[in-house]
Formats: sequence, C-alpha cells, structure tokens
Amino acid sequence: QQQVKQSPQSLIVQKGGISIINCAYENTAFDYFPWYQQFPGKGPALLIAIRPDVSEKKEGRFTISFNKSAKQFSLHIMDSQPGDSATYFCAAIRMDSSYKLIFGSGTRLLVRP
Amino acid sequence: EAGVAQSPRYKIIEKRQSVAFWCNPISGHATLYWYQQILGQGPKLLIQFQNNGVVDDSQLPKDRFSAERLKGVDSTLKIQPAKLEDSAVYLCASSPRRKDKLNTDTQYFGPGTRLTVL
Repeated sequence: QQQVKQSPQSLIVQKGGISIINCAYENTAFDYFPWYQQFPGKGPALLIAIRPDVSEKKEGRFTISFNKSAKQFSLHIMDSQPGDSATYFCAAIRMDSSYKLIFGSGTRLLVRP
Repeated sequence: EAGVAQSPRYKIIEKRQSVAFWCNPISGHATLYWYQQILGQGPKLLIQFQNNGVVDDSQLPKDRFSAERLKGVDSTLKIQPAKLEDSAVYLCASSPRRKDKLNTDTQYFGPGTRLTVL
C-alpha cells in the first residue's frame, strides 16, 4: 500500500528530445505527488508537483501528467538539455498524515549533446 | 536563506564501529527528517521530528540506530554498531510545517553524508 513504482531505471536522450519517466502508486490515500531532481553529491530538490484533482501541470519544460483512475503519473521533459542529466525521483505524500515522502526507486537520465 | 547543513560529508568505518551524523536545518523549520538512501534506490524515511518530539520512527532500526533533536534545532543520527548493509547516503531534510505557496509543506534536503562500512 505504501509503494511507488518508477520506470525506467535509466534513460538516455539526445539533446532536444523528450524524456519521459513513469510512476505508479497503490495507495489511493496519497494526495500530493512531487518530483525531485538529484545531482551527484547533492540532496534531492523539489522540481514540480501535482495534486490528483488536476490531470496535467506544466512548469517551463517540465510537465506532469496524472491519471487518477489508473493510479499513474509521469514526468515529461521537453527539449531535454545536457544540464538536465540527473536522477529523478517521483514521490507521494498523504498530507493528512505526517507528510512522509514515499519515493520511487529513481531514474538516471543522461542527455547527450 | 542558508540551506540544510550536514557533516561530515563522507565517513568510512569498519563494521561494528559506531558513527554519528549531524544536521542543522533551515532556520525556523519545525520539522526535521532523516532519510537513508541506498545506492540505486530512493530515499527511505528513518525518523521524523516535529520540534524536538518524534513523529514517526517506524522504519528506524532501533537496535542500532538512534536520533535526537535537542532544543528543536540541530539533530544527530547515530549508528552503533554499524553493519555492512548500513552503507548508504544519509540525508537530512527540514520543512517549515506550514502550507507554502505550493499549498504543502515542502521538504528541503541537505547534501547528505556518504557512509561506507567495510
């Protein structure tokens, strides 16, 4: 019930391409879904987040698509750049609880020049 | 504002030794979290403090791990004795425990301490 599954484990994209990372969750009590970006040697940093009452959220080149009935959500990075090369984690929270982040296993993205 | 500070950044010990990690959260943040991030995995919550009280320590291996947050500010995480499987990055995060412009309680992470147990 607490698990968040993330795929793919790694992703290689050419500069200018679209990067797509997928996540699925089980617990329908989750009500907030953030994505974190982590560079080597750094802690995760909040990138973008969405609530389940919204099907899509866009911030610059980053878009979250959310499918509540399928219990799935995905991150799309448009016009991917070498500087986007990092590990991306999806996560889920129950905001009526302790705000504990349940992370996916991560996707290592490499954007080639 | 200054971010979450952690020290040391790296630590190498032998199994059965003890080790301690220190975290200084963002000023004014009421909530402090310790996460364990094993290589190739997402961070896993070990313990959560609200001010100096424990909110959630359900995934803390209490036979060897301990944590404290005296005076509701800095926190220390200790492992005694360490095992090989404790090799990981230990992340500290803090949050203000109030709704922000995202209408949630955003967690801010420190750079972590990389622990290697030989």
